[in-house]
Amino acid sequence: DAKTTQPNSMESNEEEPVHLPCNHSTISGTDYIHWYRQLPSQGPEYVIHGLTSNVNNRMASLAIAEDRKSSTLILHRATLRDAAVYYCILRDYIGGYNQGGKLIFGQGTELSVKP
Amino acid sequence: DAGVIQSPRHEVTEMGQEVTLRCKPISGHDYLFWYRQTMMRGLELLIYFNNNVPIDDSGMPEDRFSAKMPNASFSTLKIQPSEPRDSAVYFCASSLVRAGAFFGQGTRLTVV
Repeated sequence: DAKTTQPNSMESNEEEPVHLPCNHSTISGTDYIHWYRQLPSQGPEYVIHGLTSNVNNRMASLAIAEDRKSSTLILHRATLRDAAVYYCILRDYIGGYNQGGKLIFGQGTELSVKP
Repeated sequence: DAGVIQSPRHEVTEMGQEVTLRCKPISGHDYLFWYRQTMMRGLELLIYFNNNVPIDDSGMPEDRFSAKMPNASFSTLKIQPSEPRDSAVYFCASSLVRAGAFFGQGTRLTVV
C-alpha cells in the first residue's frame, strides 16, 4: 500500500487559512489522493479527493504538486469546528479483485484552532 | 439518501456472547468497508467488499471475527465469542471506487 507522511499536529488561528501538507513520494499513476477528517467523538468524514488537477469544494481545496508526490489540503478560513484529525490517504482507483479500492488510514494530522 | 446506517449504536455484552453489528450502505455504492477504532491502534481496516465479494480480510484479528455481505444493501460483522479486548468503536463505510467514502455513525461495543 502506498504510504503518506503527515505532520502529527498543527495549530492555526480562527478565521485564518490553514495549509495541511501530505507527502506521498511512492504514489502510483492510478492512486487518487483522498482527504478525510474526524471530529472529536464522531466518525470519519469525507473532505475532498483528486487525481492530478487541483480541486475545490464547499469544504476545502486540494492542491496537488505537478509530480503528484505531495499535496496540500487548504481550509480557507478555519473555524473552531474545523478542529479535527485530518487524514491523507492514497486510494487505487483500478479497484476489482486485485485489492484496488482499499482505504487505509494512517495517524493523520491533529489540527487545533485557537480563537 | 439517509447515508450509511449502522445498528446498534451502542452494544454492551458479556464476555463469551455473540455480537452482530449491522450496516446498510448507500444505495448504488459498490464498496463496503468495516473498520475498528481504539485509542491504542487508531482506525484499522478489518475487511472490505467489492460488489458483495470480500476482497481483503487480512485485517480481521482472529477467527472469532467474520463478515458477510449477502446483498448490495446489507452487511454484518460478527464476533463469536466476544472478549473484553474487542471493545471499540466499529465503523462501516461505503463508496464508489473513484469517489469518497461515507461513514456510518459507528457502533460502540463494550464487552464486560
